[in-house]
Amino acid sequence: SQQGEEDPQALSIQEGENATMNCSYKTSINNLQWYRQNSGRGLVHLILIRSNEREKHSGRLRVTLDTSKKSSSLLITASRAADTASYFCATDWGGKLIFGQGTELSVKP
Amino acid sequence: GAGVSQSPSNKVTEKGKDVELRCDPISGHTALYWYRQSLGQGLEFLIYFQGNSAPDKSGLPSDRFSAERTGGSVSTLTIQRTQQEDSAVYLCASSFLSGTGGYEQYFGPGTRLTVT
Repeated sequence: SQQGEEDPQALSIQEGENATMNCSYKTSINNLQWYRQNSGRGLVHLILIRSNEREKHSGRLRVTLDTSKKSSSLLITASRAADTASYFCATDWGGKLIFGQGTELSVKP
Repeated sequence: GAGVSQSPSNKVTEKGKDVELRCDPISGHTALYWYRQSLGQGLEFLIYFQGNSAPDKSGLPSDRFSAERTGGSVSTLTIQRTQQEDSAVYLCASSFLSGTGGYEQYFGPGTRLTVT
């Protein structure tokens, strides 16, 4: 079974708004990663947060990790139409990634 | 430099035939992974290779699936006697290192397999 559960499953916002996606997982982790996928093909790595980190930033992205609640969130600030994609969290399980079901983000111009 | 490449990009095959999917990882990456993505099952781990260690085959769904990595570089995923439920996008990824350190994985564009 999949390690991560994400919500919402789908999110539709206007350009300029912030988008928040949440991920929960079941067991202890070494790190948690977020990926983006456009058009159902290759995934692009966005950010990696280790189990001893609580928050990480990369450009307009902010990721938080709460290991006590086994949850993470991805915030995209000032969204753009080009951010429209599916976003997946993945827990690093002995090197291999176990993915959540993903959040489908639609940013309307 | 070049990213992860996969071939073919699309493959249509008849039920019962064998197929081979190829992955060329990023040069110098020691770890190589196969995943598949289907509507019903989402993104699933299949197998991974790390250096000269025995591969982790824990995600392979049946013994019809096998993979090899030659010379620590190119990998081939083979599906024997394909079934319709094997239809999916097969994704390959590579990373510089694997194990408990945790490193980002670089994904190829995938091979879309359709079994008719």
